[in-house]
Amino acid sequence: AQKITQTQPGMFVQEKEAVTLDCTYDTSDPSYGLFWYKQPSSGEMIFLIYQGSYDQQNATEGRYSLNFQKARKSANLVISASQLGDSAMYFCAMREGVYSSASKIIFGSGTRLSIRP
Amino acid sequence: DAGVTQSPTHLIKTRGQQVTLRCSPKSGHDTVSWYQQALGQGPQFIFQYYEEEERQRGNFPDRFSGHQFPNYSSELNVNALLLGDSALYLCASSLSNRAEYYGYTFGSGTRLTVV
Repeated sequence: AQKITQTQPGMFVQEKEAVTLDCTYDTSDPSYGLFWYKQPSSGEMIFLIYQGSYDQQNATEGRYSLNFQKARKSANLVISASQLGDSAMYFCAMREGVYSSASKIIFGSGTRLSIRP
Repeated sequence: DAGVTQSPTHLIKTRGQQVTLRCSPKSGHDTVSWYQQALGQGPQFIFQYYEEEERQRGNFPDRFSGHQFPNYSSELNVNALLLGDSALYLCASSLSNRAEYYGYTFGSGTRLTVV
């Protein structure tokens, strides 16, 4: 069965520093997709970045990058030059089957990131 | 382009009552998934609707049921409410007929409190 593990319940980071949020996953399907979502206090889940299991390069989206280590089943999110607006809950998520939106997305337990001014 | 719209935003119900939550998907999307998010936890998958049928279901009792209408909007119904049903209920929409690399588009959720 697929599983997502986030071992950092909360983190405090100084503004402008880089931060790494950890995520490990487990699946027996060779085809899968990994996501990171941001959830501010308003509740909406905001898509940040996606990595497919067959992608050769690590995904990047602006200040966000995904450190994908397939052999270790690790998909850490790196936020460069953190900003006060980055304070939120961050969820790692996975879907089995890269090319199918029919498969459900499962989420980890999340990491609460707080940026200090 | 409107995103996912959920109503109501907040709701208070009494134990044993029934509740209906509503979701309008993002324009052009045809698949709706529902999640329950308890306080301080990650979202848990309830079920997914496509072509007006339940396509997948998570580990939730039959008290949780849903419906999808021809216009792709969806409802989540919960019967015989328990205190433990208090949570943020998130609706997410997606498009089924092409490779969807970017997961779901989420609404802001309905916060249900059972007293």
